[in-house]
Amino acid sequence: SQQGEEDPQALSIQEGENATMNCSYKTSINNLQWYRQNSGRGLVHLILIRSNEREKHSGRLRVTLDTSKKSSSLLITASRAADTASYFCATEWGGTALIFGKGTTLSVSS
Amino acid sequence: GAGVSQSPRYKVAKRGQDVALRCDPISGHVSLFWYQQALGQGPEFLTYFQNEAQLDKSGLPSDRFFAERPEGSVSTLKIQRTQQEDSAVYLCASRVRTGGGGEAFFGQGTRLTVV
Repeated sequence: SQQGEEDPQALSIQEGENATMNCSYKTSINNLQWYRQNSGRGLVHLILIRSNEREKHSGRLRVTLDTSKKSSSLLITASRAADTASYFCATEWGGTALIFGKGTTLSVSS
Repeated sequence: GAGVSQSPRYKVAKRGQDVALRCDPISGHVSLFWYQQALGQGPEFLTYFQNEAQLDKSGLPSDRFFAERPEGSVSTLKIQRTQQEDSAVYLCASRVRTGGGGEAFFGQGTRLTVV
């Protein structure tokens, strides 16, 4: 089963623009993580935000979490062609396994 | 090794054949996960180990799927009597802690094609 739903399913932007993707989930969580997947490097962890945090930054990434709405957003600023990939949110509750959403496919053209 | 290693990278099996997929997690990582990823979809959870104990196997799609981690390190996912719907990429991940958060490190996956 999949917990999260990312929105949009696909996103195409130009280099230098910002990309925003959203994730909604269904149950309580301890934390929410974002991963990137491209054919070259497999699934790679980007950032983790805990349930008691509302916003977190890492380089060009900004993640927000709204537990009352059971939603999160990932903002990538000043996008680059190398950001082209699929992005997944994953939730965790009670020390159990990470449950992934269906992903957003981001295409950044130069 | 430095990362999670999976073998083989590619496997073609005839329908009805049994297959075994191997995962070498990062040394010292307590948690190990198996996921199944169909084309264009997100990873679907299959099963989870903490050391050698299989704590959750709720995602295994049928009793044809079996996973083990007998010594708490290397894990094997076995699929008996493979069917075409088993065709997917099988991902293994490990994590240093048992729970409460932390990033998971993924292998490159095994792409299984059942013909």
